Amino acid sequence: IVLTQSPATLSLSPGDRATLSCRASQTVSIYLAWYQHKPGQAPRLLIYDTSNRATGIPARFSGSGSGTDFTLTISSLEPEDFAVYYCQQRSNWPPITFGQGTRLEIK
Amino acid sequence: IQLVESGGGVVQPGRSLRLSCVASGFTLSNYGMYWLRQAPGKGLEWVAVIWYDGSNEYYTDSVKGRFTISRDNSKNTLYLQMNSLRTEDTAVYFCARDLETFGGIIATLDFWGPGTLVTVSS
Repeated sequence: IVLTQSPATLSLSPGDRATLSCRASQTVSIYLAWYQHKPGQAPRLLIYDTSNRATGIPARFSGSGSGTDFTLTISSLEPEDFAVYYCQQRSNWPPITFGQGTRLEIK
Repeated sequence: IQLVESGGGVVQPGRSLRLSCVASGFTLSNYGMYWLRQAPGKGLEWVAVIWYDGSNEYYTDSVKGRFTISRDNSKNTLYLQMNSLRTEDTAVYFCARDLETFGGIIATLDFWGPGTLVTVSS
């Protein structure tokens, strides 16, 4: 299953709302997760199974969608949110597959 | 909870390397574990998975027959033996833990290490 993320780069300011998209080449039901990755650090699980926030993840992060189209929304960007975001499917694995990433940068 | 990878370095094509991942803050034997990698300028790629008890393991196609994932639960350590290395194996390698516990495995990775860099070059 191929995951395609858009946009490749998103330029926003702190306080803005961010909307990141992930489209699957075939249905993954609800089995989609989102990760945040900063350079030199461990990736961090944000959302799993479309809309479940992982432990310790702030409420400003939310996920939605089903089937082939999914969205990660950050309601009001904090300075620490600027990073690369990846979606990942577990509907039909192995293999586990990731999207190519969306870079969220400060405008 | 902490995962710390080690064993990376510079190696010539065709040679071998073994990566280790030491787990702390949780009982390794209760969790499925993964290796993933990120090539320079690229995204995340899953490499291998091993069940909590070592009973099953799977690999991405490009490393089948060359890489072996294993674990020593008594040492709280996960391994990746990498043989016949190729230049395209150059990447930061991460170990990660499955979200599910006590025998389950659901391909959702809730804790990751910071990674170790493997460079394959002559």
